[in-house]
Parts: sequence; structure tokens; C-alpha cells
Amino acid sequence: DVKVTQSSRYLVKRTGEKVFLECVQDMDHENMFWYRQDPGLGLRLIYFSYDVKMKEKGDIPEGYSVSREKKERFSLILESASTNQTSMYLCASSLNPRAEGYTFGSGTRLTVV
Amino acid sequence: QKEVEQNSGPLSVPEGAIASLNCTYSDRGSQSFFWYRQYSGKSPELIMSIYSNGDKEDGRFTAQLNKASQYVSLLIRDSQPSDSATYLCAVNPLYAGNNRKLIWGLGTSLAVNP
Repeated sequence: DVKVTQSSRYLVKRTGEKVFLECVQDMDHENMFWYRQDPGLGLRLIYFSYDVKMKEKGDIPEGYSVSREKKERFSLILESASTNQTSMYLCASSLNPRAEGYTFGSGTRLTVV
Repeated sequence: QKEVEQNSGPLSVPEGAIASLNCTYSDRGSQSFFWYRQYSGKSPELIMSIYSNGDKEDGRFTAQLNKASQYVSLLIRDSQPSDSATYLCAVNPLYAGNNRKLIWGLGTSLAVNP
């Protein structure tokens, strides 16, 4: 089975801090995604990547950046954390989204205080 | 119009009954359709995928697709309390050049009562 690992299950950060969320997958997938999930708003795509060093903005990229230096690792960066970035962050990966959908990591619950 | 719509629920069914979850989508050219289950505080997990009109069965789950009506549904037979979760519908639309993005519904909350 594909494993998508997110480095932290829970994080508490202070306003203004730079925050790194890490995601690693073990199945050589080209495609990786970062979502946030909030009650009533569903899953919202922040950024995705379809190859090393390649990235595309999703629906809500403001306040975030990403890094993909190696195929297996996709990092989400909150440049200066704000309280409105308190959320559940979900990483996903896929070899062929049209055929297989996505496999999600276990999520990181981030609280910005 | 939202691209993928689901009734938010909660849908409440007694144990042993059939739960019927529905999803409509706006992009007529959509190619593939997925149902995910998400327990509270957990991440979504894929339970069914369907690509062609008709029914697809996997154990107690049946996915139904009607492309003419732009409608996909999930039936859960012999519902169990462990099926209580939020069910997310995801669609791969036929945007130009897109074969990566899934569009998500907001999910339907299902409660199976013992």
C-alpha cells in the first residue's frame, strides 16, 4: 500500500512564526497535493506539484509556499503564520489521479496562537 | 453553481438498513468519480471509484453512475455503526489538460444508529 507520511500530527505555533509542514510518500508518485480542511468549507487545494521543482497554485495559495526538491517529499511553508491559518492540513499523492484518485496522509492539525 | 454538490446531512439510518448517499456534478465531460470515507478527526480514505455508467459493487458498497443526469451515488447495504462517518464525493473534470485535479463535494454526514 502507498504510504503518505506527514511529520506532525499536532502543531501549535505562534503568530508570525515560519512553519514547515512535511509530507513524504514512498511510491514514486509524480503528483503531490496540499489541502486544508475547515468545517463547512470542505477540502481546499493550496498547492500541488506534478514533478520535482514543479508546482502550481491551487485555489487558496495566499500566505503559503511549497518546495519539492525530491520526488518523495513535498513541503508546505507558512511564511508568517496567522490565526486564520489554524486548520487541518492534508497532504495527498497520486500516480494517476484520473484512474486512482488520491492517497492522503494522516493530516496535521495546526493551531496558530 | 457548485461543481460538486452533496447533501450535507446528517443522514440517519438504523443499523442494518441501506444508506443512500448522492452527489451531482456540473462538468458533463467528467471522467472519473470517487467516494471517500472520513471519520471524525481522520483523513479521507478511498472506498470506491467508478468510471462507466451503471453500478459497481464492492462488498456492502455499490457505486452508481448516471452521466446523462450527472449524478453519482453510493449505497451502503446492511449499514453498521462503524459506517458512521462523512462521505466525500470527488470528481475528475475534463478541463483542458487536466488529469490531476479532483473537485470535492463538502461531504454528507452519515449516522448509523444501533
